[in-house]
Amino acid sequence: QVQLQESGPGLVKPSQTLSLTCSVSGVSISSGDYYWAWIRQPPGKGLEWVGYIFYSGFNSFNPSLKGRASISMDTSKNQFSLNLRSVTAADTAIYYCARDLIPGTISDAFDIWGQGTLLTVSS
Amino acid sequence: QSVLTQPPSVSGAPGQRVTISCTGSDSNIGEGYDAHWYQQIPGKAPKLLMYGYKNRPSGVTDRFSNSRSGTSATLAITGLQAEDEADYYCQSYDSRLRGVVFGGGTKLTV
Repeated sequence: QVQLQESGPGLVKPSQTLSLTCSVSGVSISSGDYYWAWIRQPPGKGLEWVGYIFYSGFNSFNPSLKGRASISMDTSKNQFSLNLRSVTAADTAIYYCARDLIPGTISDAFDIWGQGTLLTVSS
Repeated sequence: QSVLTQPPSVSGAPGQRVTISCTGSDSNIGEGYDAHWYQQIPGKAPKLLMYGYKNRPSGVTDRFSNSRSGTSATLAITGLQAEDEADYYCQSYDSRLRGVVFGGGTKLTV
């Protein structure tokens, strides 16, 4: 059974870098089968796609983030991580990691999600 | 303002059928990109309900169905139950924005 679990600091100051980790169990992220994603949801609002990573190093990000985001993999720990630079209050959200549904391609349907972690940007 | 437009709320009585619309444009649903649907119970992560053309993940009841026409997609729920009360989101890909896009969400009240 595939499971995802997000972890992070909970609170980050404005202008700092946000770092979140998604720990994956039940499947190896280095197997090359799936695309992995970050999606966020500001409190009381809708969902927003942040970005994708594939084991090959392929990355794709929401253009609205204006180059502030990066996603990396640590295959030894079966984890992937999101870094978001120069955060503001607008980046306050529940951050979810998720798996793309179809192996080997981007279907943009996310079938397995973590429980989410709240990240608050405040001084 | 979301790229995909959903009604903020819909409601129905137990046993009834409701539909939730998702209106896009020629750069997403209208260009042929799949529309997917999620259910989100408050405080929980979204759950994939329908993907692509009439595809349902294992374990999702067949009371949920979807359709697409032109630049719009629709989620239908038959035999409404109290447990269906949740927020519903549509999602697609937008070629102009070059990324995954979501609708603003629809709150279903049973």
